[in-house]
Order: sequence, then C-alpha cells, then structure tokens
Amino acid sequence: TQLLEQSPQFLSIQEGENLTVYCNSSSVFSSLQWYRQEPGEGPVLLVTVVTGGEVKKLKRLTFQFGDARKDSSLHITAAQPGDTGLYLCAVWGFYNQGGKLIFGQGTELSVKP
Amino acid sequence: EAGVTQFPSHSVIEKGQTVTLRCDPISGHDNLYWYRRVMGKEIKFLLHFVKESKQDESGMPNNRFLAERTGGTYSTLKVQPAELEDSGVYFCASSTLGSYEQYFGPGTRLTVT
Repeated sequence: TQLLEQSPQFLSIQEGENLTVYCNSSSVFSSLQWYRQEPGEGPVLLVTVVTGGEVKKLKRLTFQFGDARKDSSLHITAAQPGDTGLYLCAVWGFYNQGGKLIFGQGTELSVKP
Repeated sequence: EAGVTQFPSHSVIEKGQTVTLRCDPISGHDNLYWYRRVMGKEIKFLLHFVKESKQDESGMPNNRFLAERTGGTYSTLKVQPAELEDSGVYFCASSTLGSYEQYFGPGTRLTVT
C-alpha cells in the first residue's frame, strides 16, 4: 500500500489548457513537497506546503495543501510544452538533522504544442 | 556551484556481476541519501549518511547492497552480485544538516540482463 496516491498517472494535453493533478493520503502530514523531474535529470523541488489550506503560487503553477493536511493539488494554468515532465509529491520522515523522502508514483504530464 | 553528480549515467551488466555507483554531493552537504526507482514504481529511499556515518539504512533491499562514504565526501553504492530485479534508476541526493531541501543528482540507470 502506497502512502501517497497520485492521480492521474498520465496526462496528455494541448498547449494552453489548464490541468490539476492530485496527491492523496489517509495520513496527516506536517508538510508536503512537490517536485518536477525531467528526462535524464533528478527531481527538482518546486514548493513546500506546511499549513492546512495553504496556497502557494509559482508563476502559472498553484499548489494547495488540504485543510486536513492529508492531500494536495497542483494546478497549472495555460500549460506550455516546457511544463512537460514528471510531477512528484513527497513527504518527509524527518529525524536527526536529516530525513528520508517518501514519494508518490508521480503524474507524467505531456503538453503538446 | 556544482550540483550533485553521479557516475556512471548508465550501466548495463549481466546477472551475477558487480557494479559500483558513485555519487559526489554538493560541497559542504553533510547529508547524503540514496534512492531507487524501479520501473512502474515510486522512488524509494535506500539509505542516509550523515557525514561518514550511516544514519538510516532501513531501505536497503538486502545484503547484496553495500554503501560507503569514506571521509564524509563522495559515496559509493555497490551491488554484488547483481540480480535482474536490481534494474532501475539510482538517485543520490544531498542536503545541509537540518534542511528540508534535498538536491538530487541526475541518476544512474542500471540495467541487469
């Protein structure tokens, strides 16, 4: 059983469309992170959300943490081909000045021109 | 500032052979992590070093995997003998002590035939 369930797993859209991807769990988290991974590269941190109901914006990307801190969404407005990539949500198991990340399976996004 | 580097980028070996993966973290990062993504699954934690000490190796699949970080700088992950199920992408990440932000390398794609 996965701790974080991401949906959809795959998404193919046309340039200019809007989209939302989801990261759900039955567990409560103190924070949640979103990463983007491009082919041949490692994941790159986009944002960390901490407070229930928090909304953060990064240009055309809007991230929201659920009120109960069990889920999160990523909304992209007017998607561009450069948004193509694998979007991952992750939570921390933090201990002793460090900690391991626990990832969802990811949403593979393809934006066609 | 150089990012996290990993070598090799790709490795194809036969079942039963030995492979050693290398990770050079960002200079000054005392935390070093290894993760693995096998096909169709999420990225999973393998182990965590703080400087040269293993902090958490709960994700290591079995005793065919050996990780070292001599001198607290670069790290190696050796698989001996390799099995088919070891195929996947191995990521290394690093961070400063107490940080919630990990920086990932581009990964090593390991194929065991």
